[in-house]
Order: sequence, then structure tokens, then C-alpha cells
Amino acid sequence: DGGITQSPKYLFRKEGQNVTLSCEQNLNHDAMYWYRQDPGQGLRLIYYSQIVNDFQKGDIAEGYSVSREKKESFPLTVTSAQKNPTAFYLCASSWRDLPLYFGPGTRLTVT
Amino acid sequence: GENVEQHPSTLSVQEGDSAVIKCTYSDSASNYFPWYKQELGKGPQLIIDIRSNVGEKKDQRIAVTLNKTAKHFSLHITETQPEDSAVYFCAASRGRDDKIIFGKGTRLHILP
Repeated sequence: DGGITQSPKYLFRKEGQNVTLSCEQNLNHDAMYWYRQDPGQGLRLIYYSQIVNDFQKGDIAEGYSVSREKKESFPLTVTSAQKNPTAFYLCASSWRDLPLYFGPGTRLTVT
Repeated sequence: GENVEQHPSTLSVQEGDSAVIKCTYSDSASNYFPWYKQELGKGPQLIIDIRSNVGEKKDQRIAVTLNKTAKHFSLHITETQPEDSAVYFCAASRGRDDKIIFGKGTRLHILP
């Protein structure tokens, strides 16, 4: 089965803790993306990576960090500096030209 | 940068009727326009896309039209069914190596 996997589906953390969200793809896609989704806000780009060992900030990168050590993996760390971390996080990937394919998402709740 | 406006934010249609969702974009260099469907608690799924070299594309009950001069594109769903209830997002991009910009979404309700 080819696709994008995100784990876990639900994640709970206490305020002040860093948390890492996993994203893996076996589609052999070069580019990978992280989006944040809040009610009524659509999809906002956090970070993206077009090749291994390289990534760029999106529109709302503050309080987040990423790494791209392998083509298949693009983990996202939500740091304690992110003021409103509770949200639905979506990972996506694409090969050369679009379209974008999304994973199932991780719902993060920070209390 | 690119800005994508999507209307309406909520749409209710009777089962069997047609639904139309409209989007406008600001960057005349945008040439790729996908539409995504998102069911509750899931990731968005691509349902149809169109590139700027065509004006219309159809896939069974779904069609997308593009007016490059007016910089707007629309999603048309005919003979709506209960499983069409979802949130739909439009998006625009200048293509490879460029960010894809999403609209804020339309929540479509199909009424029995």
C-alpha cells in the first residue's frame, strides 16, 4: 500500500512540553509539507521541503521546527514557543509537479 | 503573493440538486487549480484539478471551470448525494516549486 502515514492520530500534551509529530511516505515523492488546520482558517503552511536536508519556512513557522534527513520522513516538532499549538496537523507530499497528497492528520491537544 | 478567496463558506442543497462553489485568485501567473474534499476527521483528498491551458474538466458528476481573464474558477457537483457532504477547498499555484495557496473552505450539506 502506497501512501502517507501520520502518527499518532490523537496526541495530548501538557503546556510547556515539546512534541514531535511523525510523517512518513512511501510514494517516492521529493517534496513534503506540513499544514496546520484550525476551524474557519483553511490550511496554513508551516514548513516545506523539496529535497533531503533542505527545508523552508512557510507562512506560520514560528514555534515549529522540522528535519528532512530521509526522503521518506519529515517530522514536525511543536515547541513550547508555539503559543496556540492545539490544532489539526496535516502532512502532504508531491512528486515534481503537483498535485499534493495529504496524510490522515494528527489532532494535537495541549492543555 | 497569491490570495485565494472562496465562496460560500457554507452551502446547503437538496439531495439530487446541483452545488456550485466559486473561487477567485489574485496572481495571474497561477496555472494550476486543484479542488480537495475533506471528510470529518480526515485529510483532504484531491477530487479534480485543472491547469490553465483548459477551460473546463469533467469527471462523472464533478466538473471544474476556469476563467483566466476574470481569475476565477468553480466546482460544480451535479445530482448531489449524501456522501457529497464534506468541506471542499479550492487552491491555486504557479506550478512546480511554488507554494500552493488554499481557500478557506466551503462546508457542503446535502439535505435529505
